[in-house]
Amino acid sequence: NAGVMQNPRHLVRRRGQEARLRCSPMKGHSHVYWYRQLPEEGLKFMVYLQKENIIDESGMPKERFSAEFPKEGPSILRIQQVVRGDSAAYFCASSPYRADEQYFGPGTRLTVT
Amino acid sequence: GESVGLHLPTLSVQEGDNSIINCAYSNSASDYFIWYKQESGKGPQFIIDIRSNMDKRQGQRVTVLLNKTVKHLSLQIAATQPGDSAVYFCAEMGNRGGGGSNYKLTFGKGTLLTVNP
Repeated sequence: NAGVMQNPRHLVRRRGQEARLRCSPMKGHSHVYWYRQLPEEGLKFMVYLQKENIIDESGMPKERFSAEFPKEGPSILRIQQVVRGDSAAYFCASSPYRADEQYFGPGTRLTVT
Repeated sequence: GESVGLHLPTLSVQEGDNSIINCAYSNSASDYFIWYKQESGKGPQFIIDIRSNMDKRQGQRVTVLLNKTVKHLSLQIAATQPGDSAVYFCAEMGNRGGGGSNYKLTFGKGTLLTVNP
């Protein structure tokens, strides 16, 4: 029973490029959450999605960031025109129900040069 | 605003000793609390949780205590082992039984636990 999968594990982008982070939730989980972690800090909520719907994107910057969770395939967190301040670890979590235990993936570490 | 914070950023203990990691929260509406362990280069791993209608919950070698009066949460690890070395985060979630943002985890900054052999 595979856990939450994220890829790539490490991503290096130059300023101005686009970053695409993928998350495959655990089998049977239809709720996906994205969090960002800056060095030596706790995780900060970004966005909560159910299949084909964005439920809450209040933690996500309004510009350059977008997220989707299509009917088929993984959830995608997309960052356009990356800047150095976007460098962080991005974690995805999934749960079977809305207010349930969230299982975290290994994260994608984004470095913007 | 809502926040979850930790008293000590680092904790160093000897192997075999008991460890206590503390956490303060400010949102009195918090209903559900979780402790996570994060090893270097990995995602947070669930350790133990507790709901606001409980004061104490025990797991294997771990105990979580909740003091709602002073909005304080602690994680006790018995007979700490080198494999327990990691960053420990407390997190809170709003009212799981109601509406609102009862899915959003708010994390504290973390405590680095180092176990010396």
